[in-house]
Amino acid sequence: DQQVKQNSPSLSVQEGRISILNCDYTNSMFDYFLWYKKYPAEGPTFLISISSIKDKNEDGRFTVFLNKSAKHLSLHIVPSQPGDSAVYFCAASAKTDSWGKLQFGAGTQVVVTP
Amino acid sequence: EPEVTQTPSHQVTQMGQEVILRCVPISNHLYFYWYRQILGQKVEFLVSFYNNEISEKSEIFDDQFSVERPDGSNFTLKIRSTKLEDSAMYFCASRRTGSHEQYFGPGTRLTVT
Repeated sequence: DQQVKQNSPSLSVQEGRISILNCDYTNSMFDYFLWYKKYPAEGPTFLISISSIKDKNEDGRFTVFLNKSAKHLSLHIVPSQPGDSAVYFCAASAKTDSWGKLQFGAGTQVVVTP
Repeated sequence: EPEVTQTPSHQVTQMGQEVILRCVPISNHLYFYWYRQILGQKVEFLVSFYNNEISEKSEIFDDQFSVERPDGSNFTLKIRSTKLEDSAMYFCASRRTGSHEQYFGPGTRLTVT
């Protein structure tokens, strides 16, 4: 059941450059999308979210873009910092699900190099 | 800043034994969740809990699993008879009414031998 897909298992980026993480989804009932960051041996930490009524949401160095027609979202991190090295998960919840369970992608391991 | 806490951080148990994983959600949150992540796999939804009852559960959450809010602060996940395939990280999460964002605890690593 691959309703949320992150097709890039890893991404290496130089410090100071832009990191772009991609996420695709198949369920047209998804109406809210979230990005989480996870360090080893820790729980996922909420980063940024976007509702399906918007196409962009920005918070500091993090911007999420949503393209509903393509069922695609992306997370931009600029500038990338060494502390950004972590696994990033895309997650989605469906408007038909009033209890709000999240469906996660497989994650993208980001490594920021000096 | 309030956070979700979980205990223990690591639990080792023998196959067939019962385990209880404990969570303290953020105090003004009313929706609670358990997820798990088997090594190398996705984070998977197990169960959601609201108003002292299960609101939704996944196919993984069979009769061997149960959840409880025994008091005003704790939220527990019990596995009655553990199997080898139950070995995973178990994450508790909570959210407040009107918000979509779920806040996760640090997880309990369950190892079944």
